[in-house]
Amino acid sequence: GQNIDQPTEMTATEGAIVQINCTYQTSGFNGLFWYQQHAGEAPTFLSYNVLDGLEEKGRFSSFLSRSKGYSYLLLKELQMKDSASYLCAVIDSNYQLIWGAGTKLIIKP
Amino acid sequence: DAMVIQNPRYQVTQFGKPVTLSCSQTLNHNVMYWYQQKSSQAPKLLFHYYDKDFNNEADTPDNFQSRRPNTSFCFLDIRSPGLGDAAMYLCATSRRTGTGPGEQYFGPGTRLTVT
Repeated sequence: GQNIDQPTEMTATEGAIVQINCTYQTSGFNGLFWYQQHAGEAPTFLSYNVLDGLEEKGRFSSFLSRSKGYSYLLLKELQMKDSASYLCAVIDSNYQLIWGAGTKLIIKP
Repeated sequence: DAMVIQNPRYQVTQFGKPVTLSCSQTLNHNVMYWYQQKSSQAPKLLFHYYDKDFNNEADTPDNFQSRRPNTSFCFLDIRSPGLGDAAMYLCATSRRTGTGPGEQYFGPGTRLTVT
């Protein structure tokens, strides 16, 4: 079966750094997305990785290791508005998008 | 601005009363998706259209139907809503190319309540 694992919930402090991990077991791999979803709203695109390594975009970075079936999303200089769920999603060999259940990130002052 | 629009944002229907949710896009994307998302769960893909080709997920109940009359519009019909169908329904679009399905752009969602 296909599976994506993320921690259910994480807590961090405003101004700090947090790393959200995602591991996947899918039938093939054609890329990995990270989305942010605020409560009651639709997901919004954060990043896309298809090759190994780190992609940096402002305060957010995403890392991929295809050999390990592993990715992480790194959020720096945390702000209260970063409180949201972060969803990892993988494109499998059939070009279907397989979604993780998301990690709820709680930012404390 | 190019976008994905869903109407209505909130829909209340009675148990067993048919309901239709709508989605439109100005992105000219060739793929449109319908997802169901319940609280604290991953979005669950119900169907997607690649141009006019309809793709139904194997575990999507027959109670759910979809129509895509043209590139810009897509509808989700729930023929006989049950209490378990109360959820957020998300429409998304993407531009599928030879290298893959592309990034998905989501509409704001329709929150369905069944009474």
